Amino acid sequence: NAGVMQNPRHLVRRRGQEARLRCSPMKGHSHVYWYRQLPEEGLKFMVYLQKENIIDESGMPKERFSAEFPKEGPSILRIQQVVRGDSAAYFCASSPDTAYEQYFGPGTRLTVT
Amino acid sequence: EDKVVQSPLSLVVHEGDTVTLNCSYEVTNFRSLLWYKQEKKAPTFLFMLTSSGIEKKSGRLSSILDKKELFSILNITATQTGDSAVYLCAVEAGFSGSRLTFGEGTQLTVNP
Repeated sequence: NAGVMQNPRHLVRRRGQEARLRCSPMKGHSHVYWYRQLPEEGLKFMVYLQKENIIDESGMPKERFSAEFPKEGPSILRIQQVVRGDSAAYFCASSPDTAYEQYFGPGTRLTVT
Repeated sequence: EDKVVQSPLSLVVHEGDTVTLNCSYEVTNFRSLLWYKQEKKAPTFLFMLTSSGIEKKSGRLSSILDKKELFSILNITATQTGDSAVYLCAVEAGFSGSRLTFGEGTQLTVNP
């Protein structure tokens, strides 16, 4: 059973470009969570999605960030007009339901130059 | 605002030592507490605790939760160099969904 998959693993973008991060949950998991880890900081919750629904986006910056989890295909975290402060590791986690442990993917390391 | 505090922030020990990592929390509507191990990549799940006083054990690692005093400990006995990692404590809380609030982590270094 493959674990949580994320791609790309590393992404370099210039200021002002768009970044698209993908996450495929573990087989049988329909709950996806995105977390951000800034340099020298802990993991911070961004958004929680189920298929086609955003359940909790209270950790998402109000502008430039969006997330989706379509009926088919991976979950996408999209960052428009990236700035240097967006440089971080973005982790995706999945679970089969609430009240279950979340399993993390390897992360996407975004560098904004 | 939910808060999770881990101590110590870093710890250096020798192989064979026993270590205790601490995690305290202040959250609204507690659901569970989880421990993860992070070695420069994805956090790896260790334990999920929901009930007070029931120890969870996996090999040399064990953990227990005290919901009255709002803390948990992670014990590692007979440490090995492969235990070197950041150990993360996270709490699932709130009324909507399953967001995790993480502590800053404890950087454990085990020297040979």
